[in-house]
Amino acid sequence: GAGVSQSPSNKVTEKGKDVELRCDPISGHTALYWYRQSLGQGLEFLIYFQGNSAPDKSGLPSDRFSAERTGGSVSTLTIQRTQQEDSAVYLCASSLRYIEAYSGNTIYFGEGSWLTVV
Amino acid sequence: GQQLNQSPQSMFIQEGEDVSMNCTSSSIFNTWLWYKQEPGEGPVLLIALYKAGELTSNGRLTAQFGITRKDSFLNISASIPSDVGIYFCAGKETSGSRLTFGEGTQLTVNP
Repeated sequence: GAGVSQSPSNKVTEKGKDVELRCDPISGHTALYWYRQSLGQGLEFLIYFQGNSAPDKSGLPSDRFSAERTGGSVSTLTIQRTQQEDSAVYLCASSLRYIEAYSGNTIYFGEGSWLTVV
Repeated sequence: GQQLNQSPQSMFIQEGEDVSMNCTSSSIFNTWLWYKQEPGEGPVLLIALYKAGELTSNGRLTAQFGITRKDSFLNISASIPSDVGIYFCAGKETSGSRLTFGEGTQLTVNP
C-alpha cells in the first residue's frame, strides 16, 4: 500500500483479555517500529525490527507484551491479560532500512490503533 | 522511557505570528526529526536533520540541528489556522536503533 496500515483502528477490550494489533509496513521497508502514545504524552518506544536481525525488544514494558514480524513484512503486537494502564494509541512505523545519519532515510507512521481497556 | 525535553508544552497564538519551539537532550544525537500530529492521525514528518549546524526549511517551517548535537529548534513563520496540532521532536543517539520522542508542543492558532 501507499502508507503504513494498522488494524484495528479502534479496540475496546475487557481487562484480562488478550489483544492483537496488526501493522502492514510500506512495501519494501525493512525496518519496522512499534511505539505507544498515552493520552497527552509523547511516543514511547516499544520494539524495533530490522530485516532478519534479532529485534530490539528493550522498550517492551512487561512480559505481557510481545511482537512478531512474519516474512519480514506484517507485524503483530500482542498484549496478554490487558490492564487499564495499557490503554493508549499504539503506533507502527516503517523505514526503508534502519534509520541512519546522513542517509536521508525517514520513518513513516501509521494512523495508530486506539486501545481502550475497560 | 527516555524522553527529550521539549518546550513549550503548549502555545496559544494569533494567526500571522511566528512560533518557535525547541528540544534538548542530555545525549548527543546524530539525527533530529520534527513531526506534526493532528487528532486521530499518526505523526507526519515535517523536517529531517542529519548534520550538526544544519538549517533546513520546508515552506514556512525552519529547523536547525544544534552545533552541540544536543538540541534542535523548529520555527513556524506567519502561522495559519491549519498549523494547529501537536509538534514532536525526535532524535536518535549515535548508537542504538530507537528514536526518542519529546513530549510534544500543543499549538493553537486563533484566527
